[in-house]
Amino acid sequence: GQNIDQPTEMTATEGAIVQINCTYQTSGFNGLFWYQQHAGEAPTFLSYNVLDGLEEKGRFSSFLSRSKGYSYLLLKELQMKDSASYLCAVSTYSGNTPLVFGKGTRLSVIA
Amino acid sequence: GAGVSQTPSNKVTEKGKYVELRCDPISGHTALYWYRQSLGQGPEFLIYFQGTGAADDSGLPNDRFFAVRPEGSVSTLKIQRTERGDSAVYLCASSLSGGRSDTQYFGPGTRLTVL
Repeated sequence: GQNIDQPTEMTATEGAIVQINCTYQTSGFNGLFWYQQHAGEAPTFLSYNVLDGLEEKGRFSSFLSRSKGYSYLLLKELQMKDSASYLCAVSTYSGNTPLVFGKGTRLSVIA
Repeated sequence: GAGVSQTPSNKVTEKGKYVELRCDPISGHTALYWYRQSLGQGPEFLIYFQGTGAADDSGLPNDRFFAVRPEGSVSTLKIQRTERGDSAVYLCASSLSGGRSDTQYFGPGTRLTVL
């Protein structure tokens, strides 16, 4: 089966750093995506990791450890607009590529 | 450029009715995906098209659900004899070629409410 776990909710302070963890157990692995989803809106792409290590993109960074089945999304210099759900999704090894999503982590940024 | 568009944005129907949800992918994207998202959950895969053909429909919950993409662009998700449990946001996504590392770009979704 496919299992992706992430915390349900997190709260952090404006200007701070927050780390959102994701662990996965899937039948095959072809990369891990992070998406941001504001309430009532479409998920928007943040990052993609297929090799171990850290990928940095502005205020957002994403880390992957394939041997541990673990990823995290790091958000720096938090802004109020970062309040959203963050979805971890795995591209599994199959002939076709549906993404398997976690339930999402709802991040609230407070002043 | 234009992103993925979906119509209608909201659909309210009665139990037992038939509904059609439309998705217009990004121009030039050959891969198209349908997902369903319930409140507080992540998107759940339904069906994937590569061109005109359904390459993977393993996520369709039962035979009341059907999707087409006759010309390899616009897709329609069809739900027969709707049930209250079908209420959810139906998301469509497209990617350039359906490759395993291709980013999927999502539309705004159709919120379906079955009364």
